[in-house]
Amino acid sequence: ETGVTQTPRHLVMGMTNKKSLKCEQHLGHNAMYWYKQSAKKPLELMFVYNFKEQTENNSVPSRFSPECPNSSHLFLHLHTLQPEDSALYLCASSPRGNGGNTIYFGEGSWLTVV
Amino acid sequence: GESVGLHLPTLSVQEGDNSIINCAYSNSASDYFIWYKQESGKGPQFIIDIRSNMDKRQGQRVTVLLNKTVKHLSLQIAATQPGDSAVYFCAENIEGGSYIPTFGRGTSLIVHP
Repeated sequence: ETGVTQTPRHLVMGMTNKKSLKCEQHLGHNAMYWYKQSAKKPLELMFVYNFKEQTENNSVPSRFSPECPNSSHLFLHLHTLQPEDSALYLCASSPRGNGGNTIYFGEGSWLTVV
Repeated sequence: GESVGLHLPTLSVQEGDNSIINCAYSNSASDYFIWYKQESGKGPQFIIDIRSNMDKRQGQRVTVLLNKTVKHLSLQIAATQPGDSAVYFCAENIEGGSYIPTFGRGTSLIVHP
C-alpha cells in the first residue's frame, strides 16, 4: 500500500477508443504527476499538477488529456492512441510540486493499445 | 534539467553478498537525492534519501553515500536477499526550486540464491 492508488491496473484499448486512467492519493499531498515508463527507457515526466493547477506539460501529444479536479484525484483521458503509446503509466504525488520533495508512486496502469 | 545516469545497467550478486549500485549526476546545484526500488510489475518505491549537507545516510540494510566533489552517489545493500531483486533508480533534485526530479534508466539487480 503506497498511498497512491491507480485504476485500472491493466487496460487494453483500440486506437479509436476513449478511456481514462484514474489516480487517487491518500497522503495529503498537494502535487500530482503522470509519468510514462516504456521498456528500456527512463521514466518520462508527462504532467505535473500543483494545488490543482497544471504546472508542467512535457510536450505531451494532445491525445493524452489530464484532469485534476482536486489535490487528491488525477485522471488521464486517452483518445485515439497509437500502439507506441503502450506503456506503464505511473501516477505519483508529493507534498509540493517543486524541488526537495520525495515523489511517491502508485503501482501503475499497464496500457496496451491494439 | 541535467541528466542523471547509472553506471551499470545490470548487477548480479549472490545471496548474502553486499551490493553497490552507483549513480552519477551532472547538475552541481542538486542538493537532494533519492533512491527508488522498482520490483517487476510494480511502481517505484522510495528507499532512502540524502541531502547535500550529509555524505552518508543509513537505513535498514541500506546505506547511501554522496560524493559531491565527483557528483556521485551510491546505494549499498548489505546481505543482499532474493527479495532485493529489482531495478534501482536514483533521482536528483534541488530543494526549494521548481526543478522536478528526473530519473535515470535504472540498474537491474539480480540476486542469485
